[in-house]
Amino acid sequence: DAKTTQPTSMDCAEGRAANLPCNHSTISGNEYVYWYRQIHSQGPQYIIHGLKNNETNEMASLIITEDRKSSTLILPHATLRDTAVYYCIVRVANIDMRFGAGTRLTVKP
Amino acid sequence: ETGVTQTPRHLVMGMTNKKSLKCEQHLGHNAMYWYKQSAKKPLELMFVYNFKEQTENNSVPSRFSPECPNSSHLFLHLHTLQPEDSALYLCASSQGTGQNTEAFFGQGTRLTVV
Repeated sequence: DAKTTQPTSMDCAEGRAANLPCNHSTISGNEYVYWYRQIHSQGPQYIIHGLKNNETNEMASLIITEDRKSSTLILPHATLRDTAVYYCIVRVANIDMRFGAGTRLTVKP
Repeated sequence: ETGVTQTPRHLVMGMTNKKSLKCEQHLGHNAMYWYKQSAKKPLELMFVYNFKEQTENNSVPSRFSPECPNSSHLFLHLHTLQPEDSALYLCASSQGTGQNTEAFFGQGTRLTVV
């Protein structure tokens, strides 16, 4: 029970923005939205997290809807190295960090 | 390089062997975690340590025995494993277990039980 729903897979052209959606309609007020990604056979890599406001860092932007029931991770200029499984997680604490199946993003030349 | 180092990267062991996985973090974090990732399955949380004390055991069989001698090191001792225990074992650390702290993962140990 990962509390989130993500598409199984997505494709994106190299150099274009990749927009990865996540539904979390049962999110509670104190739960954060976290994004990680996992490149084949490596450990998950932290990308970004947020509570209510949109967030941006050197890797990505996180857009959270006003009702907090969904969010979108944006990779502004996808490269081939961004091909990975992307996990959207909602949680209160790290001990509550449950990974689902994620979205397999394939960036194509 | 995430600051979390796991050794060995690959391990093959027989069902009667005893082996240990090691995790070390150089981030000054207080919490450390073991996760298991089997083929085609999501990551499963196994154990959580906060300030060297175990705070979570996610119904893990006793053939997996964790040890946390200090906040920087975490071990997973393995004995009499089964072939279905073959998986990628991942260690993570974070600054506390609270809500606004991201966890950083090591590269994992790929375990094969024969």
